[in-house]
Amino acid sequence: GAVVSQHPSRVICKSGTSVKIECRSLDFQATTMFWYRQFPKKSLMLMATSNEGSKATYEQGVEKDKFLINHASLTLSTLTVTSAHPEDSSFYICSAGGNPRTDTQYFGPGTRLTVL
Amino acid sequence: KQEVTQIPAALSVPEGENLVLNCSFTDSAIYNLQWFRQDPGKGLTSLLLIQSSQREQTSGRLNASLDKSSGRSTLYIAASQPGDSATYLCAGGRNSGNTPLVFGKGTRLSVIA
Repeated sequence: GAVVSQHPSRVICKSGTSVKIECRSLDFQATTMFWYRQFPKKSLMLMATSNEGSKATYEQGVEKDKFLINHASLTLSTLTVTSAHPEDSSFYICSAGGNPRTDTQYFGPGTRLTVL
Repeated sequence: KQEVTQIPAALSVPEGENLVLNCSFTDSAIYNLQWFRQDPGKGLTSLLLIQSSQREQTSGRLNASLDKSSGRSTLYIAASQPGDSATYLCAGGRNSGNTPLVFGKGTRLSVIA
């Protein structure tokens, strides 16, 4: 299957700092990327949909000024958690869609964010 | 709005048993349905993908079915092994691979040796 990478896999930061998470589609051009968040023992919830070259579409309740998404190329989307607080500690997973061969999306391995 | 429900939330079985995990969804206009496995602290592993035109998919000891009219999917695991212990998530997609998936809360499976 297609490969999607995320970097970093794990990050610990102090409250008030900003953290950038990268999501890369390694073997196909992803016209759309999705960012999900998973709190402990909960399911994945969609945060935003990111289309290459345009502004992201955020789900209700997700602050767009806090979770900055940039999808500058067909293989890279970034999520920046600005002024992170302990309640932002979560597992963030991206997925890449638009694979013309399979018409499905592929998930990255996730990034574990811990804000102290 | 699509809602996905998984029952049971947790399941513990002895090794060797066959088992069924259930998933139901509210919107029958589903494009595809996927079953994933998630190990603790890890990402998602795609197990089976069923397109809306299909009724089932099989991979090794796993068989997933899809009944759009009743809004249900099942994941059947044959001859369960301790290595099957994980959380199993089902997720429905609406239009295509370019639309987000709606996930259930998962079933946490423990297979006891």
